Amino acid sequence: EVQLVESGGGVVQPGGSLRLSCAASGFTFSSYWMHWVRQAPGKGLVWVSRVNFDGSSTTYADSVKGRFTISRDNAQNTLYLQMNSLRAEDTAVYYCAPTATPGGNFGYWGQGTLVTVSS
Amino acid sequence: EIVMTQSPATLSVSPGERATLSCRASQSVGSNLAWYQQKPGQAPRLLIYGASTRATGFSARFSGSGSGTEFTLTISSLQSEDFAVYYCQQYTNWPPLTFGGGTKVEIK
Repeated sequence: EVQLVESGGGVVQPGGSLRLSCAASGFTFSSYWMHWVRQAPGKGLVWVSRVNFDGSSTTYADSVKGRFTISRDNAQNTLYLQMNSLRAEDTAVYYCAPTATPGGNFGYWGQGTLVTVSS
Repeated sequence: EIVMTQSPATLSVSPGERATLSCRASQSVGSNLAWYQQKPGQAPRLLIYGASTRATGFSARFSGSGSGTEFTLTISSLQSEDFAVYYCQQYTNWPPLTFGGGTKVEIK
């Protein structure tokens, strides 16, 4: 059974940093692209970032480029999102999700972790 | 970036009635279109992919159609468990992968 467990969310002040983790199991983690998708409270889904199989290729939404860094540890089956210079508009539930191709649909989702940026 | 537009934003339907949700892409996405169902407090769940292929675990009362720029999700006879928010997503032209703004299906 595929399981994705996000953690690391919390309350942080504007300008602060946070590191999210996504622990994956039930599939061959190193064979999948991994993505972060976020959802602001009461709003829709927004794709944030993706990383390829071995971490050598990363892509970001314009809204987070230069502030967020996606990475992965295939030995630990874990995906990360380092978030710096956080803004109020980054407040959202962050989900991780795998795809077999660089772009695709998301057949599996974690339960999400809430990040709140507030003073 | 391909912009996905869903309509209506809210759809009020009585149980047992048919619901028709629309999704429009700003440029052709072929059949690379997915639909997700999301209930309050839960993660989204893949419902339809390839514009018309139903994902595992969903009833045949859900059907997807369309190609290019116009897509439709139809729920033939709404059950209580179908009241949720539905999102479409294109995956033909990326990055970024883009979602529609969602349609909330509520009880009339």
